[in-house]
Amino acid sequence: AQSVSQHNHHVILSEAASLELGCNYSYGGTVNLFWYVQYPGQHLQLLLKYFSGDPLVKGIKGFEAEFIKSKFSFNLRKPSVQWSDTAEYFCAVNANTGGFKTIFGAGTRLFVKA
Amino acid sequence: EAGVTQFPSHSVIEKGQTVTLRCDPISGHDNLYWYRRVMGKEIKFLLHFVKESKQDESGMPNNRFLAERTGGTYSTLKVQPAELEDSGVYFCASSQALSKNIQYFGAGTRLSVL
Repeated sequence: AQSVSQHNHHVILSEAASLELGCNYSYGGTVNLFWYVQYPGQHLQLLLKYFSGDPLVKGIKGFEAEFIKSKFSFNLRKPSVQWSDTAEYFCAVNANTGGFKTIFGAGTRLFVKA
Repeated sequence: EAGVTQFPSHSVIEKGQTVTLRCDPISGHDNLYWYRRVMGKEIKFLLHFVKESKQDESGMPNNRFLAERTGGTYSTLKVQPAELEDSGVYFCASSQALSKNIQYFGAGTRLSVL
């Protein structure tokens, strides 16, 4: 069965620390990969996406993610977090073989201390 | 451009009652998805409409849930009768194209069944 695994459920960092959130997926076909973010009291928003091409993708607010096909991974990174990055982050996958229904990871709650 | 809107934002009902959730997708988006997040768990797919047709309803938990999308515009998700385990946040998303499928999410409806 298709699944997405996020390595950390809760992460606490101080401002200016570097961030890496792990994501692995289980899917045999060609996939589209996403990171979504939900800030407190707000909608789920698309942070970045990978469809094809350069495996290092850049998103909004200084985030980037690297697709490593051999490891079935799509880790999210940011060199220096800010207090405003406090949010819940979701890794997600969809594919045409699944009718493009999106499979989400359990989410990682990030708290950045000012 | 208006985003995906959901109504109500919060609903509190008693076990056995009926609740109807509404989703208005982004204008022109043929694809409409419903997802649910039970507290502490991952966001799970419920079903997918293409225009007014149900493309995939494999995630619907049971026959107490009925989704409709008459005319291919807005969609409703009715729960009848509601049970305690139906509590959670119900998200709607819409997308324009199936390939390179970027789904835009609504703010969600928080359903509390008491």
